[in-house]
Amino acid sequence: SQQGEEDPQALSIQEGENATMNCSYKTSINNLQWYRQNSGRGLVHLILIRSNEREKHSGRLRVTLDTSKKSSSLLITASRAADTASYFCATIQGAQKLVFGQGTRLTINP
Amino acid sequence: NAGVTQTPKFRVLKTGQSMTLLCAQDMNHEYMYWYRQDPGMGLRLIHYSVGEGTTAKGEVPDGYNVSRLKKQNFLLGLESAAPSQTSVYFCASRRQGVSSDGEKLFFGSGTQLSVL
Repeated sequence: SQQGEEDPQALSIQEGENATMNCSYKTSINNLQWYRQNSGRGLVHLILIRSNEREKHSGRLRVTLDTSKKSSSLLITASRAADTASYFCATIQGAQKLVFGQGTRLTINP
Repeated sequence: NAGVTQTPKFRVLKTGQSMTLLCAQDMNHEYMYWYRQDPGMGLRLIHYSVGEGTTAKGEVPDGYNVSRLKKQNFLLGLESAAPSQTSVYFCASRRQGVSSDGEKLFFGSGTQLSVL
């Protein structure tokens, strides 16, 4: 079963705008991770936020985590054409299995 | 340092044929994973391994077998391929335990498999 569910499934914005993607999950977590996938490529790790953290920044990325609502959001500020990709949230089930959501397909229009 | 390498990159099989996908990592990672990715389905875990000589089932293990005879290699086998196994297959690995980057996965570039 899918642990993380991303919303929206697809997002199209103009270059320079901010992009926000949301992820909901079902069970308690130790951490939540976000990955990016460019077309035809493998996934690349972006950022990890632990259950005792509420917000984390990395460059133009800002991730928030609300464990009471079992949700997370990924904000990409000042978007660029190169940010066009699919974005996935992932959580660990048990001690070893990383389970992914279905992803948000982000398109940045020039 | 190549990271995670998958071979082959593309393959076309006929129904009933068998094949093995190879995943190799040079990062001395304990954990290795096989996922399949289908349109609109995200990534689904097929099998995984927490160390040399160990394997475990994921969400969608039926029709697949795996082996981890060496720490750096994780093989995914299809004994009798079916059209439903047409997909993109990704291998990934990570370190054991909790650390600043120990829980993130490193992915290969994928194998596109078509079963006719």
